[in-house]
Amino acid sequence: QVQLVQSGAEVKKPGASVKVSCKASGYTFTTYGITWVRQAPGQGLEWMGWISAYNGDTKYTQKVQGRVTMTTDTSTSTAYMELRSLRSDDTAVYYCARVYLVGVFPTFDIWGQGTMVTISS
Amino acid sequence: DIQMTQSPSSLSASVGDRVTITCRASQSVTFYLNWYQQKPGKAPKLLIYAASSLQSGVPSRFSGSGSGTDFTLTISSLQPEDFATYYCQQSYSTPMYTFGQGTKLEIK
Repeated sequence: QVQLVQSGAEVKKPGASVKVSCKASGYTFTTYGITWVRQAPGQGLEWMGWISAYNGDTKYTQKVQGRVTMTTDTSTSTAYMELRSLRSDDTAVYYCARVYLVGVFPTFDIWGQGTMVTISS
Repeated sequence: DIQMTQSPSSLSASVGDRVTITCRASQSVTFYLNWYQQKPGKAPKLLIYAASSLQSGVPSRFSGSGSGTDFTLTISSLQPEDFATYYCQQSYSTPMYTFGQGTKLEIK
């Protein structure tokens, strides 16, 4: 079945970097984009960015621009999100999701299970 | 950037009630509006896309309406499994997306 499986929980110190993976299966990886969404404890969903699995084009929200890099490895159908210069307010569950077009309408139809990233000294 | 504002932020209701959640965009997003449901500890689930189209497998008690800047999500008869947090999301400015702040639906 179509699924996205993310890497496990991480604990990092302030100033460090984290790289979260998202492995796709059950569909042709390069056909759809991957987006990343995070959720701080007790808070709402925050869209972080998007990457085309076809050509690697990216778009990031201004809030993390300059600290985030999204990449894909088409040989393993895996997307990656690296966040640098980590701060306490980066503590969150990080989700990847597939961007699926229904006609002309983008949707996030398949989600990974989430990866908890904790920033603590 | 397009801002999305939901109301109310939280809502108490009983099983069998009809519930409406509102989402307003800071500029027109035409019909590029999705709704998601999220339960505690779980990833969000797509309910409605293109403002009013029901995602496959979603019960017909869920419906969406609206266009431009004003949208609603309606649950016609609340079931116990519907108590969750609901988010609207605009996809008009693709590939830049924005979520509303969420509406938590609790049992009265």
